[in-house]
Amino acid sequence: EAQVTQNPRYLITVTGKKLTVTCSQNMNHEYMSWYRQDPGLGLRQIYYSMNVEVTDKGDVPEGYKVSRKEKRNFPLILESPSPNQTSLYFCASSLGPYALEQYFGPGTRLTVT
Amino acid sequence: RKEVEQDPGPFNVPEGATVAFNCTYSNSASQSFFWYRQDCRKEPKLLMSVYSSGNEDGRFTAQLNRASQYISLLIRDSKLSDSATYLCVVWDFGNEKLTFGTGTRLTIIP
Repeated sequence: EAQVTQNPRYLITVTGKKLTVTCSQNMNHEYMSWYRQDPGLGLRQIYYSMNVEVTDKGDVPEGYKVSRKEKRNFPLILESPSPNQTSLYFCASSLGPYALEQYFGPGTRLTVT
Repeated sequence: RKEVEQDPGPFNVPEGATVAFNCTYSNSASQSFFWYRQDCRKEPKLLMSVYSSGNEDGRFTAQLNRASQYISLLIRDSKLSDSATYLCVVWDFGNEKLTFGTGTRLTIIP
């Protein structure tokens, strides 16, 4: 089954404790991205990657890091989480940024206290 | 002005009715348009692309008005299962940016 998986699905953590949210896709997509979704603000892109070893900042990259060592994986790293990073996070993949369809993972609900 | 604007709703509509909502975009260079559907606390999923000539998929019709810079979604004979948030999405080839609206929440009432 073609899918994007994210882990963990739910996470409660404390300020400053480094965490990683994993994202993996099995569709051989070149383009992957991370979004955060907050009430009233919609989906905002954090980082994206056009291909392996190619990543770039989206609209709200501060406080986040990513890496793309393999085509299928695109982890999101929060080196020192803060409460304003409490949000719902989605990973997405597609054939390209212009592609008709972005495939989203199921989401990770993160709470930073 | 927001790049992509939608009426957040909620739209509460009786089952079987027709409902329509619009989305406006600010960048006239925007080139591709989509409607995504998002159920509560779930991931967005593509509902349909929006073509210049308009397009229809069953009970759903999408229209694009480039002159006025808006797209619309019409749902006919609404079903309870249509209850969701509908996201307007705009792709700008110039800066290779995909922008999501904040969504319009629709609730179909039995």
